[in-house]
Amino acid sequence: DSGVTQTPKHLITATGQRVTLRCSPRSGDLSVYWYQQSLDQGLQFLIQYYNGEERAKGNILERFSAQQFPDLHSELNLSSLELGDSALYFCASSADRMNTEAFFGQGTRLTVV
Amino acid sequence: AQSVTQLDSQVPVFEEAPVELRCNYSSSVSVYLFWYVQYPNQGLQLLLKYLSGSTLVKGINGFEAEFNKSQTSFHLRKPSVHISDTAEYFCAVSDPSSGTYKYIFGTGTRLKVLA
Repeated sequence: DSGVTQTPKHLITATGQRVTLRCSPRSGDLSVYWYQQSLDQGLQFLIQYYNGEERAKGNILERFSAQQFPDLHSELNLSSLELGDSALYFCASSADRMNTEAFFGQGTRLTVV
Repeated sequence: AQSVTQLDSQVPVFEEAPVELRCNYSSSVSVYLFWYVQYPNQGLQLLLKYLSGSTLVKGINGFEAEFNKSQTSFHLRKPSVHISDTAEYFCAVSDPSSGTYKYIFGTGTRLKVLA
């Protein structure tokens, strides 16, 4: 158990819908990273938060957004879903700003039908 | 921009045989390097990491990796594999000078240990 909790584990939704994925980092970790894992693109960095502030963006679509709350949990919002958004979404947390060791949650498997 | 290449998408190996999973990264600037393992339907678990210092890094489950700056490689090795090592292995790089510290992952190597 990495200590990073992601909910839900599985999500099936229709095209055009909006979903929210939740991540609770390890206790005390200030950094949260979101990654998308798909068969065609592999593991791609989406976005990073540190202590409530957005620090970096990767290949994140405009239809996607995220935030980190004062209690340090983070949510990834995916809207106007398309079939191609089906993937495994991972959250990772790290204790230090330089991310010398990232702990990954078990992921949320999103299926868009 | 950094990139990571894992040339072998699949590696079959017999139980108790040695294995090497190859990883090359694109830049010779100062980097952090990682190997993660992913078992079916699970998240990624850190096997080992290189931040600085000794180029031979030992990790969990008997794995080790060697950082080679001149060849920009970070190959993962295990002298004797077990059936339970069957999983997908990901190499990742982070550029501490970038300010983002995000991980760039390779495409993964599926290790299949045969009885």
